[in-house]
Amino acid sequence: QKEVEQDPGPLSVPEGAIVSLNCTYSNSAFQYFMWYRQYSRKGPELLMYTYSSGNKEDGRFTAQVDKSSKYISLFIRDSQPSDSATYLCAMSGGGAQKLVFGQGTRLTINP
Amino acid sequence: GAVVSQHPSWVICKSGTSVKIECRSLDFQATTMFWYRQFPKQSLMLMATSNEGSKATYEQGVEKDKFLINHASLTLSTLTVTSAHPEDSSFYICSASRTGARGLIGYTFGSGTRLTVV
Repeated sequence: QKEVEQDPGPLSVPEGAIVSLNCTYSNSAFQYFMWYRQYSRKGPELLMYTYSSGNKEDGRFTAQVDKSSKYISLFIRDSQPSDSATYLCAMSGGGAQKLVFGQGTRLTINP
Repeated sequence: GAVVSQHPSWVICKSGTSVKIECRSLDFQATTMFWYRQFPKQSLMLMATSNEGSKATYEQGVEKDKFLINHASLTLSTLTVTSAHPEDSSFYICSASRTGARGLIGYTFGSGTRLTVV
Protein backbone atom coordinates (compact mmCIF):
# COMPACT_ATOMS: atom_id res chain seq x y z
CA GLN A 1 0.00 0.00 0.00
CA LYS A 2 1.32 3.43 -0.93
CA GLU A 3 1.66 6.01 1.80
CA VAL A 4 -0.46 8.45 -0.19
CA GLU A 5 -3.18 7.40 -2.59
CA GLN A 6 -4.62 9.73 -5.22
CA ASP A 7 -6.88 8.89 -8.13
CA PRO A 8 -4.85 9.69 -11.25
CA GLY A 9 -7.94 10.44 -13.30
CA PRO A 10 -8.05 11.83 -15.89
CA LEU A 11 -10.90 14.06 -14.78
CA SER A 12 -12.76 16.19 -17.32
CA VAL A 13 -15.45 18.70 -16.32
CA PRO A 14 -17.21 21.64 -17.99
CA GLU A 15 -16.20 25.21 -17.26
CA GLY A 16 -17.87 26.59 -14.15
CA ALA A 17 -18.23 23.21 -12.44
CA ILE A 18 -17.09 22.51 -8.91
CA VAL A 19 -14.13 20.15 -8.88
CA SER A 20 -13.35 17.84 -5.98
CA LEU A 21 -9.92 16.24 -5.70
CA ASN A 22 -9.02 13.83 -2.92
CA CYS A 23 -6.19 11.92 -1.32
CA THR A 24 -6.01 9.33 1.41
CA TYR A 25 -2.95 8.48 3.41
CA SER A 26 -1.78 5.86 5.86
CA ASN A 27 0.88 7.62 7.94
CA SER A 28 -0.78 9.16 11.01
CA ALA A 29 2.39 11.20 11.66
CA PHE A 30 1.72 13.49 8.72
CA GLN A 31 0.97 17.03 9.90
CA TYR A 32 1.62 19.24 6.89
CA PHE A 33 -0.68 18.92 3.91
CA MET A 34 -0.23 20.61 0.58
CA TRP A 35 -1.81 20.79 -2.82
CA TYR A 36 0.33 21.60 -5.83
CA ARG A 37 -0.62 22.41 -9.39
CA GLN A 38 1.70 21.36 -12.17
CA TYR A 39 1.47 22.41 -15.78
CA SER A 40 3.14 20.29 -18.42
CA ARG A 41 6.94 20.46 -18.26
CA LYS A 42 6.93 22.87 -15.33
CA GLY A 43 7.76 22.54 -11.66
CA PRO A 44 4.92 22.15 -9.12
CA GLU A 45 3.34 25.36 -7.89
CA LEU A 46 1.98 25.51 -4.34
CA LEU A 47 -1.77 26.11 -4.20
CA MET A 48 -2.74 25.40 -0.62
CA TYR A 49 -0.92 24.58 2.60
CA THR A 50 -2.66 23.32 5.72
CA TYR A 51 -1.23 22.37 9.05
CA SER A 52 -3.12 19.61 10.88
CA SER A 53 -6.89 19.28 10.51
CA GLY A 54 -9.32 21.89 9.30
CA ASN A 55 -10.38 23.93 6.31
CA LYS A 56 -8.59 26.66 4.46
CA GLU A 57 -9.98 28.87 1.75
CA ASP A 58 -8.16 30.98 -0.80
CA GLY A 59 -10.23 32.50 -3.56
CA ARG A 60 -11.83 29.72 -5.57
CA PHE A 61 -9.83 27.04 -3.77
CA THR A 62 -10.73 25.29 -0.52
CA ALA A 63 -8.58 22.68 1.17
CA GLN A 64 -9.92 20.32 3.79
CA VAL A 65 -7.99 17.98 6.06
CA ASP A 66 -9.61 15.27 8.15
CA LYS A 67 -6.85 13.61 10.13
CA SER A 68 -9.24 11.21 11.84
CA SER A 69 -10.13 9.73 8.46
CA LYS A 70 -6.68 10.34 6.93
CA TYR A 71 -8.37 12.12 4.07
CA ILE A 72 -7.69 15.44 2.39
CA SER A 73 -9.60 17.30 -0.30
CA LEU A 74 -9.21 20.22 -2.64
CA PHE A 75 -12.28 21.96 -4.02
CA ILE A 76 -12.15 24.30 -7.00
CA ARG A 77 -15.18 26.52 -7.50
CA ASP A 78 -16.14 28.17 -10.76
CA SER A 79 -13.51 26.15 -12.59
CA GLN A 80 -11.78 27.79 -15.54
CA PRO A 81 -9.98 26.32 -18.55
CA SER A 82 -6.77 27.76 -17.10
CA ASP A 83 -7.23 25.39 -14.14
CA SER A 84 -6.48 22.48 -16.48
CA ALA A 85 -3.34 20.89 -15.05
CA THR A 86 -2.16 18.02 -12.90
CA TYR A 87 -2.95 18.43 -9.22
CA LEU A 88 -0.73 16.73 -6.69
CA CYS A 89 -1.40 16.26 -3.02
CA ALA A 90 1.67 16.11 -0.80
CA MET A 91 2.29 15.72 2.89
CA SER A 92 5.05 15.50 5.46
CA GLY A 93 5.54 15.15 9.17
CA GLY A 94 6.69 12.87 11.92
CA GLY A 95 10.12 14.44 12.07
CA ALA A 96 10.84 13.76 8.41
CA GLN A 97 11.13 16.81 6.21
CA LYS A 98 10.66 15.01 2.92
CA LEU A 99 7.40 15.40 1.07
CA VAL A 100 5.41 12.36 0.05
CA PHE A 101 3.37 12.91 -3.09
CA GLY A 102 0.22 11.37 -4.39
CA GLN A 103 0.17 10.13 -7.97
CA GLY A 104 -1.38 13.35 -9.26
CA THR A 105 -4.78 13.88 -10.91
CA ARG A 106 -4.93 15.18 -14.45
CA LEU A 107 -7.74 17.70 -14.67
CA THR A 108 -9.21 19.20 -17.84
CA ILE A 109 -11.75 22.02 -17.75
CA ASN A 110 -13.68 22.17 -21.00
CA PRO A 111 -14.85 25.60 -22.25
CA GLY B 1 9.39 35.74 -2.04
CA ALA B 2 10.72 32.17 -1.69
CA VAL B 3 12.00 31.58 -5.20
CA VAL B 4 14.06 28.61 -6.28
CA SER B 5 15.91 29.00 -9.55
CA GLN B 6 16.83 25.84 -11.44
CA HIS B 7 19.14 25.71 -14.47
CA PRO B 8 19.27 24.64 -17.16
CA SER B 9 15.60 24.24 -18.03
CA TRP B 10 16.45 21.70 -20.67
CA VAL B 11 19.59 19.95 -21.83
CA ILE B 12 20.50 17.42 -24.48
CA CYS B 13 23.69 15.46 -24.03
CA LYS B 14 25.48 12.55 -25.61
CA SER B 15 25.48 9.16 -23.96
CA GLY B 16 28.47 8.77 -21.64
CA THR B 17 28.83 12.44 -20.77
CA SER B 18 27.98 14.12 -17.48
CA VAL B 19 25.42 16.82 -16.90
CA LYS B 20 25.19 19.23 -13.97
CA ILE B 21 21.91 20.78 -12.83
CA GLU B 22 21.93 23.74 -10.46
CA CYS B 23 19.33 24.76 -7.96
CA ARG B 24 19.56 28.09 -6.15
CA SER B 25 17.38 29.60 -3.46
CA LEU B 26 17.26 33.28 -4.36
CA ASP B 27 15.83 34.97 -1.29
CA PHE B 28 16.10 32.51 1.56
CA GLN B 29 18.55 30.04 3.00
CA ALA B 30 17.79 26.48 2.06
CA THR B 31 19.19 24.22 4.72
CA THR B 32 17.57 21.21 3.13
CA MET B 33 17.05 20.58 -0.55
CA PHE B 34 15.40 17.70 -2.30
CA TRP B 35 15.90 16.25 -5.77
CA TYR B 36 13.08 14.57 -7.63
CA ARG B 37 12.72 12.72 -10.87
CA GLN B 38 9.50 12.68 -12.82
CA PHE B 39 8.57 10.45 -15.73
CA PRO B 40 5.82 11.47 -18.18
CA LYS B 41 2.35 11.35 -16.64
CA GLN B 42 3.74 10.17 -13.33
CA SER B 43 4.22 11.78 -9.95
CA LEU B 44 7.45 13.08 -8.48
CA MET B 45 9.83 10.43 -7.20
CA LEU B 46 12.18 11.58 -4.48
CA MET B 47 15.77 10.74 -5.33
CA ALA B 48 17.69 12.26 -2.45
CA THR B 49 17.67 14.75 0.38
CA SER B 50 20.64 17.03 0.82
CA ASN B 51 21.56 19.08 3.85
CA GLU B 52 24.04 21.91 3.58
CA GLY B 53 27.55 20.77 4.40
CA SER B 54 26.81 17.06 4.68
CA LYS B 55 26.41 14.07 2.43
CA ALA B 56 23.10 13.56 0.71
CA THR B 57 20.71 10.84 1.80
CA TYR B 58 19.58 8.77 -1.15
CA GLU B 59 16.31 6.94 -1.48
CA GLN B 60 16.34 3.21 -1.95
CA GLY B 61 17.21 2.21 -5.49
CA VAL B 62 18.88 5.49 -6.43
CA GLU B 63 22.52 5.08 -7.45
CA LYS B 64 24.56 7.56 -5.47
CA ASP B 65 27.56 7.18 -7.76
CA LYS B 66 25.48 8.06 -10.79
CA PHE B 67 23.56 10.95 -9.29
CA LEU B 68 26.06 13.09 -7.43
CA ILE B 69 24.58 15.73 -5.17
CA ASN B 70 26.52 18.61 -3.70
CA HIS B 71 25.04 21.11 -1.25
CA ALA B 72 28.05 23.25 -0.48
CA SER B 73 26.22 26.42 0.53
CA LEU B 74 22.88 27.45 1.98
CA THR B 75 21.71 28.71 -1.39
CA LEU B 76 23.08 26.21 -3.88
CA SER B 77 22.65 22.51 -4.50
CA THR B 78 23.77 20.68 -7.61
CA LEU B 79 22.84 17.35 -9.14
CA THR B 80 25.33 15.79 -11.53
CA VAL B 81 24.19 12.91 -13.69
CA THR B 82 27.40 11.04 -14.44
CA SER B 83 27.97 8.90 -17.52
CA ALA B 84 24.45 9.60 -18.66
CA HIS B 85 22.55 7.02 -20.67
CA PRO B 86 19.25 7.27 -22.55
CA GLU B 87 17.38 5.69 -19.63
CA ASP B 88 18.44 8.69 -17.51
CA SER B 89 16.35 10.93 -19.74
CA SER B 90 13.72 12.44 -17.49
CA PHE B 91 12.41 15.62 -15.85
CA TYR B 92 14.47 16.51 -12.77
CA ILE B 93 13.09 18.93 -10.19
CA CYS B 94 14.66 20.40 -7.09
CA SER B 95 12.89 21.67 -4.02
CA ALA B 96 13.91 23.55 -0.90
CA SER B 97 12.21 23.47 2.46
CA ARG B 98 11.76 26.60 4.52
CA THR B 99 11.51 26.51 8.28
CA GLY B 100 10.80 29.17 10.85
CA ALA B 101 10.63 29.50 14.59
CA ARG B 102 7.42 27.47 14.64
CA GLY B 103 8.63 24.77 12.33
CA LEU B 104 8.02 24.04 8.68
CA ILE B 105 6.85 26.96 6.57
CA GLY B 106 6.71 25.20 3.24
CA TYR B 107 8.48 23.84 0.21
CA THR B 108 9.43 25.74 -2.91
CA PHE B 109 10.11 23.97 -6.18
CA GLY B 110 12.36 24.83 -9.05
CA SER B 111 10.98 24.95 -12.58
CA GLY B 112 12.55 21.64 -13.51
CA THR B 113 15.17 20.43 -15.99
CA ARG B 114 14.30 18.24 -18.91
CA LEU B 115 17.27 15.98 -19.65
CA THR B 116 17.47 14.11 -22.92
CA VAL B 117 20.37 11.72 -23.44
CA VAL B 118 20.98 10.73 -27.04
